[in-house]
Amino acid sequence: KNQVEQSPQSLIILEGKNCTLQCNYTVSPFSNLRWYKQDTGRGPVSLTIMTFSENTKSNGRYTATLDADTKQSSLHITASQLSDSASYICVVIGNDYKLSFGAGTTVTVRA
Amino acid sequence: GAGVSQSPSNKVTEKGKDVELRCDPISGHTALYWYRQRLGQGLEFLIYFQGNSAPDKSGLPSDRFSAERTGESVSTLTIQRTQQEDSAVYLCASSLGPSQEQYFGPGTRLTVT
Repeated sequence: KNQVEQSPQSLIILEGKNCTLQCNYTVSPFSNLRWYKQDTGRGPVSLTIMTFSENTKSNGRYTATLDADTKQSSLHITASQLSDSASYICVVIGNDYKLSFGAGTTVTVRA
Repeated sequence: GAGVSQSPSNKVTEKGKDVELRCDPISGHTALYWYRQRLGQGLEFLIYFQGNSAPDKSGLPSDRFSAERTGESVSTLTIQRTQQEDSAVYLCASSLGPSQEQYFGPGTRLTVT
């Protein structure tokens, strides 16, 4: 069973609207959690990195939250743009180098 | 550029042939990782290098897969006797150290016909 579960699998939103992606994990012990954006045909690019002591981290219109007690994280996209269409991947790093990847949420922004 | 580069970007090969994929990490990055991403699926860890040694090969799916790294530089992932199930995007990433931010290359799309 994957240690990182993301939902929804995919979503479609209208340009200008907000959306929230979810990530639940079971990785323990836990070092940090990252959200990546992967455009079609490209490698993933880091959006946010949070340690277990951080609750929220913003990067422009992207805001990630973390609840280490419930092992949940969310990524909120504000005022979506067409360029936000991509796959968003939640990655959890244990107390070693190993990364556990979620399957990703595919976001499609329509005009 | 200063990012991770991979070659080739696309590779089509016949079933049973061997292929070699190359990764050039960011200069100075001691850690290097290979991942596989099948269509519509998440990233799958294959192997991790610290310098030119591979402390973790646990993700290699079979003995047809091997990888090597020259010092703290180029790495090659070799797939022998390719099968159709090997078709995927193979991504390489590098980082300054084992627990630090990983920077990904653009990937090599492998298609086995």
